[in-house]
Amino acid sequence: DAKTTQPNSMESNEEEPVHLPCNHSTISGTDYIHWYRQLPSQGPEYVIHGLTSNVNNRMASLAIAEDRKSSTLILHRATLRDAAVYYCILIGNAGNMLTFGGGTRLMVKP
Amino acid sequence: NAGVMQNPRHLVRRRGQEARLRCSPVKGHSHVYWYRQLPEEGLKFMVYLQKENIIDESGMPKERFSAEFPKEGPSILRIQQVVRGDSAAYFCASSPKERKNQPQHFGDGTRLSIL
Repeated sequence: DAKTTQPNSMESNEEEPVHLPCNHSTISGTDYIHWYRQLPSQGPEYVIHGLTSNVNNRMASLAIAEDRKSSTLILHRATLRDAAVYYCILIGNAGNMLTFGGGTRLMVKP
Repeated sequence: NAGVMQNPRHLVRRRGQEARLRCSPVKGHSHVYWYRQLPEEGLKFMVYLQKENIIDESGMPKERFSAEFPKEGPSILRIQQVVRGDSAAYFCASSPKERKNQPQHFGDGTRLSIL
């Protein structure tokens, strides 16, 4: 599976939008872009995924660049409960297993 | 609907003992994945199973570790003759189908401590 690059950490203020970037310049045409997050002492939680078009769900939005070499996870109003490590993961033809990188640790300030 | 259930949540073993970790997937899910998270590290894939079959065990250590997902009952990750380096959080995930656009549902893990 192609590799992803994310900033180690980001900070946000409560109730403000947060844009979490992910670079995946070696993405192949059939790779799906998945986002998961892991809250402290919990298992990872699925957030959103997409292939080419932007996606919205109740948790977040996913903006995918036209060339698919980068994507951005958008939390529209950060809450303290959104403090977690966010992982951007590509899933390709090699298999279904998730390859977790270092992720971005999001800190939310009240 | 119950999510992925893992038990026990915490398990303490002495060196040389056996550890058995259980995972009940979401009802109706036939695909199970095990991941390990060492202290201060990211999650690493271990094994992928379907009912009664191991599909991919490329992330599993060659010795002492085994996994099964029987026709009836939970998936079991078994670690024989545990050593201190096995101390980690072990997470199980399940999905309904073998497709890359299907999200995986994770349990809250079993935290294994080796004395």
